[in-house]
Amino acid sequence: GDSVTQMEGPVTLSEEAFLTINCTYTATGYPSLFWYVQYPGEGLQLLLKATKADDKGSNKGFEATYRKETTSFHLEKGSVQVSDSAVYFCALGDSGGGADGLTFGKGTHLIIQP
Amino acid sequence: DAGVIQSPRHEVTEMGQEVTLRCKPISGHDYLFWYRQTMMRGLELLIYFNNNVPIDDSGMPEDRFSAKMPNASFSTLKIQPSEPRDSAVYFCASSLRDSSYNEQFFGPGTRLTVL
Repeated sequence: GDSVTQMEGPVTLSEEAFLTINCTYTATGYPSLFWYVQYPGEGLQLLLKATKADDKGSNKGFEATYRKETTSFHLEKGSVQVSDSAVYFCALGDSGGGADGLTFGKGTHLIIQP
Repeated sequence: DAGVIQSPRHEVTEMGQEVTLRCKPISGHDYLFWYRQTMMRGLELLIYFNNNVPIDDSGMPEDRFSAKMPNASFSTLKIQPSEPRDSAVYFCASSLRDSSYNEQFFGPGTRLTVL
């Protein structure tokens, strides 16, 4: 079945550091890929998405590129802020354009220190 | 738009009691999902509905769990009887079918503690 693998956390960085959170997936077909963010005590929020190979999703300074050849969707940000501290989830969705449930990675807890 | 609404936000109960979690999806959305989040297993899809009809309940862990969607604006997830290992955060999400992707909007979750 489909699966998503993320790097284990917590990841601790200093403010203004460069961020990479690795994500690889296994799926049949061509799924849509997502990064969701969860702030303490809240539900998940969509951060960015990509629906086909070579698409780049971006939002709030975060970027991720859909790499079909390496089955990866790594999250990057050039300069992190304390407010970016949260748990980040990589997820994949149905490749048929439908609306099946998402398959999530285990999540990566990011801690940004001032 | 109010977003996905879940109630209660926190529930503490004793083993053996019945627990009912509630969800109101975003108006106009035709898909509704129930997820469970634990430290050990992460986020797991339990069940989802399309136009109020259950489509896939393969993630429901046991017969103690049941979910209903009597109309387009309301769904419940019931656990009877509850057990300590059911302690988790339960999320409801909704989405509108789109031909290009399937963004889901999550509620704030219900934190369930079974003593």
